[in-house]
Amino acid sequence: DQQVKQNSPSLSVQEGRISILNCDYTNSMFDYFLWYKKYPAEGPTFLISISSIKDKNEDGRFTVFLNKSAKHLSLHIVPSQPGDSAVYFCAATSKTYDKVIFGPGTSLSVIP
Amino acid sequence: KAGVTQTPRYLIKTRGQQVTLSCSPISGHRSVSWYQQTPGQGLQFLFEYFSETQRNKGNFPGRFSGRQFSNSRSEMNVSTLELGDSALYLCASSTPGPSEKLFFGSGTQLSVL
Repeated sequence: DQQVKQNSPSLSVQEGRISILNCDYTNSMFDYFLWYKKYPAEGPTFLISISSIKDKNEDGRFTVFLNKSAKHLSLHIVPSQPGDSAVYFCAATSKTYDKVIFGPGTSLSVIP
Repeated sequence: KAGVTQTPRYLIKTRGQQVTLSCSPISGHRSVSWYQQTPGQGLQFLFEYFSETQRNKGNFPGRFSGRQFSNSRSEMNVSTLELGDSALYLCASSTPGPSEKLFFGSGTQLSVL
């Protein structure tokens, strides 16, 4: 039973436009959420995170939104650049959980 | 600071064999986690070690095991390899805390023939 879901396996966006990657979770104990980016032949790298006490966190072109009542978060990339083409993993954890649970990933292609 | 180092980068084994993968965490990081990545399944949590103790384990059979040494280096072992064990195995280290920001190595790509 997947506790973190990313229902879109892939997404294609034009350069300069907004990319929106979605993530849903089922475990209400999760209170900290992270996004990781992965290029081929490399390990995932941390991108941005959000605590459950916030509903938005912004870092440059990347913004993460959290809707706790819907158990949903999204990552917005504006403007999208070809170098953003990668697999994006949503992840969740909590203070009492001792492990980070990842979603299956969404492959983003930004077309020049 | 050096990043997380995983060796070897690539491995080819045959069914029934066993394999040991190695991970050296970032200096000062005492927590090491292992993940299996397969297409469509994302990163599946295997186990996590902290100060030589396994703190958490994922839903993998007992053929998958691991350990952590006093210098925080970690190894994972897979015995009696099956074709379905072919995957990218990723190690991540972190400083313990509520954020649990993980720093990943480049992984070991295991192919079982």
